[in-house]
Amino acid sequence: TQLLEQSPQFLSIQEGENLTVYCNSSSVFSSLQWYRQEPGEGPVLLVTVVTGGEVKKLKRLTFQFGDARKDSSLHITAAQPGDTGLYLCAGKDNTDKLIFGTGTRLQVFP
Amino acid sequence: GAGVSQSPSNKVTEKGKDVELRCDPISGHTALYWYRQRLGQGLEFLIYFQGNSAPDKSGLPSDRFSAERTGESVSTLTIQRTQQEDSAVYLCASSRGRWGASYGYTFGSGTRLTVV
Repeated sequence: TQLLEQSPQFLSIQEGENLTVYCNSSSVFSSLQWYRQEPGEGPVLLVTVVTGGEVKKLKRLTFQFGDARKDSSLHITAAQPGDTGLYLCAGKDNTDKLIFGTGTRLQVFP
Repeated sequence: GAGVSQSPSNKVTEKGKDVELRCDPISGHTALYWYRQRLGQGLEFLIYFQGNSAPDKSGLPSDRFSAERTGESVSTLTIQRTQQEDSAVYLCASSRGRWGASYGYTFGSGTRLTVV
């Protein structure tokens, strides 16, 4: 069974701080996606990374796919209260479905 | 429709009763997925439909769980003889194309099921 472990599980920070969330697996994925989920809603896709070593930026968010395509990281610069939510990584396995990570719950205080 | 629609949004049922959850995917999306999310946790894969191919049922936790999809439209997830451990949010997602997972999912808002 493929597992995606995220760390930290919980993160509580002040507005303006930087943070990094990690997503790790022993399995290789053909692509990896990051989602953000707010209470009462379904997850919303933030980014897809495909190539080992790939880095993508989305405003203050930077996503990196590991060289071996087994891990990924999400870095947020100058966090804002609007960044609060549950961050989920998801890897595409050799069938056409996503395996989701354990999730990182981020709380940003004003 | 413009998004993935799920109904009901909330369902409270008594232990032992059957429940049926509905998902309307985005028009034209051939791939449809059901996931379960326990409180504060990640998503657990249940079942996947792609066009007219046989569904991937590898995530269904027991034979009390089943799902159907009519062509490339509506899907229903049925849980028979519900148990308290079935309490969770059931999320439906759809995606376009043969390898829909590569394009990312569009999720509905989920059905929150509470078994009392």
